[in-house]
Amino acid sequence: DVQLVESGGAFINPGGSLRLSCVASGFTFSTTWMIWVRQAPGKELEWVGRIKSRTAGETTDYAAPVTGRFTISRDDSKTTLYLQMSSLKIEDTGVYYCATGHPHHGELFDNWGRGALVTVSS
Amino acid sequence: DIVMTQSPDSLAVSLGERATIKCKSSQSVLYSSNNKNYLAWYQQRPGQPPKLLISWASTRESGVPDRFSGSGSGTDFTLTISSLQAEDVAVYSCQQYYSRPPTFGQGTRLEIK
Repeated sequence: DVQLVESGGAFINPGGSLRLSCVASGFTFSTTWMIWVRQAPGKELEWVGRIKSRTAGETTDYAAPVTGRFTISRDDSKTTLYLQMSSLKIEDTGVYYCATGHPHHGELFDNWGRGALVTVSS
Repeated sequence: DIVMTQSPDSLAVSLGERATIKCKSSQSVLYSSNNKNYLAWYQQRPGQPPKLLISWASTRESGVPDRFSGSGSGTDFTLTISSLQAEDVAVYSCQQYYSRPPTFGQGTRLEIK
């Protein structure tokens, strides 16, 4: 079975930095596009960004609100996805989910972790 | 960005009855070269992560009960649950993957009447 387990969520002050991890198992991580999606309290799901597989160049793309502040990376040897967040803002508060890109379309999300809570507040 | 708007925001339906949720995109998500609609539906039960139910507007994912069906094309889509079960209580969200960034609807909360 596919498992995605996020960690690293925390309470952090505005302007701070945080790194989330997502350990994956049950599928071929190295060939799978990986995604971060977040959900602010009471709000809709919001795509944060995506990293392609190594064979696809490990290309990353980000949502406009996080571009320049967030970085997605992967370590295929550890089957782990990362989200490095810096210059955090109050509006970055939410549950951060890692997800897998569907084999037929990378922007369709077919497996999700349980999420990591990030709270940005002074 | 493509804006996804769902209706209603919340819905209460009796067990065994039909539930219908609408999703409208601000521009067409139908790709003319392959005649596919780049529209998905997710279910998010309380305290759980989202679960992909339907892709390409009408294709059920493996293991999804056949009481769930998706329809529509272009800009207007519908998720129908033919006979509501207790375990269907959840928030349902549509998502377009026609263009980046992929965007979601605001969600529809489905409850038992």
